[in-house]
Amino acid sequence: DIQMTQSPSSVSASVGDRVTITCRASQGISSWLAWYQQKPGKAPKLLIYAASSLQSGVPSRFSGSGSGTDFTLTISSLQPEDFATYYCQQANSFLPLTFGGGTKVEIK
Amino acid sequence: EVQLVQSGAEVKKPGESLKISCKGSGYSFTSYWIGWVRQMPGKGLEWMGIIYPGDSDTRYSPSFQGQVTISADKSISTAYLQWSSLKASDTAMYYCARRSRYFDWFDYWGQGTLVTVSS
Repeated sequence: DIQMTQSPSSVSASVGDRVTITCRASQGISSWLAWYQQKPGKAPKLLIYAASSLQSGVPSRFSGSGSGTDFTLTISSLQPEDFATYYCQQANSFLPLTFGGGTKVEIK
Repeated sequence: EVQLVQSGAEVKKPGESLKISCKGSGYSFTSYWIGWVRQMPGKGLEWMGIIYPGDSDTRYSPSFQGQVTISADKSISTAYLQWSSLKASDTAMYYCARRSRYFDWFDYWGQGTLVTVSS
């Protein structure tokens, strides 16, 4: 299995801050990585796919980068509606697909 | 509009069987894989398995192989996740999600089905 390690597990930030979340794969996955946002009591929502492509309807303050084993999700200017938990997911191999442990973005 | 609508919350006793559903609409149901994802209380996301409703080709995560059964009825655009004998540790939220057409990420999600197993 490909293990996905996210850091930090939580981050406290203020509205307007730049927030960066990292995700490391246990082996190279090229650009086969997605990022999701999950708000409490809601289903996850796809934000970024193929490491850096913005899903339709997602604000441009979200961006993704990286390839191989190291990936980053950046929120350029944190908005109140961005307080949520973020997950990365490797999409390199069906067997099995794996998610990172999540990063909770909290209000400072 | 693409929608995945899941069946309602369930409360079951250990040892009971259960089948939850996920109905797709607004797209060609037989042309996209549907996956199932578990989220235990306060925990992260775990991929359980996936089915292609067009031919019922099914793949399981090794962690869930033999523990659950994934199926689909393409005539009613519905995928299923079932247990033959529930355990307390099956208590979780379960999401269905549509795999994107060509790649292994999930672009649409159901609202989730909460399964509670308690004696």
